[in-house]
Amino acid sequence: GIQVEQSPPDLILQEGANSTLRCNFSDSVNNLQWFHQNPWGQLINLFYIPSGTKQNGRLSATTVATERYSLLYISSSQTTDSGVYFCAVAISGNTPLVFGKGTRLSVIA
Amino acid sequence: KAGVTQTPRYLIKTRGQQVTLSCSPISGHRSVSWYQQTPGQGLQFLFEYFSETQRNKGNFPGRFSGRQFSNSRSEMNVSTLELGDSALYLCASSLGGDEKLFFGSGTQLSVL
Repeated sequence: GIQVEQSPPDLILQEGANSTLRCNFSDSVNNLQWFHQNPWGQLINLFYIPSGTKQNGRLSATTVATERYSLLYISSSQTTDSGVYFCAVAISGNTPLVFGKGTRLSVIA
Repeated sequence: KAGVTQTPRYLIKTRGQQVTLSCSPISGHRSVSWYQQTPGQGLQFLFEYFSETQRNKGNFPGRFSGRQFSNSRSEMNVSTLELGDSALYLCASSLGGDEKLFFGSGTQLSVL
């Protein structure tokens, strides 16, 4: 099946810093989503982005489908950004999302 | 609009027992997926239901089963619980196809 690799596995940032999280995948996909899991376990959908670039406040994401990677940018990080960020992909509309192992982000004041 | 609702939030069972978890999707969503999350294996897909039919199934033993009702609510059942079944079980809903997935808060199952 499709492989999803996320890097870095862990990241510690000072509040106000910027960061880039990467997601590589092993096959062509037509569905790619980014999620944030907060310290209480709730998974929040950040972006549906099988290709192109999207922005939502301090967060933005870019997927280069032809090169099989996606990037999540976090600017001016806040302590509330802490948690685990997951990338998930699917190769077709009727196949389930496969999740990467995540990037654990800790933002310290 | 209410989000995905999972009940119960926490559950403690002993080995050999069975358990049923419930999930109510976002209104209008016809697809419900279940995932198991553990520290060692991460998020693993269990199964997906769409309009009461199982559309996809992950690589889990037959002790794990599910169903979906006509109102799109879904249940999953785990029979003959094992210690390794201790995990956070997450339910997610979507409109179906290539649509955004929305997760519930999960059920934390502990098997003693």
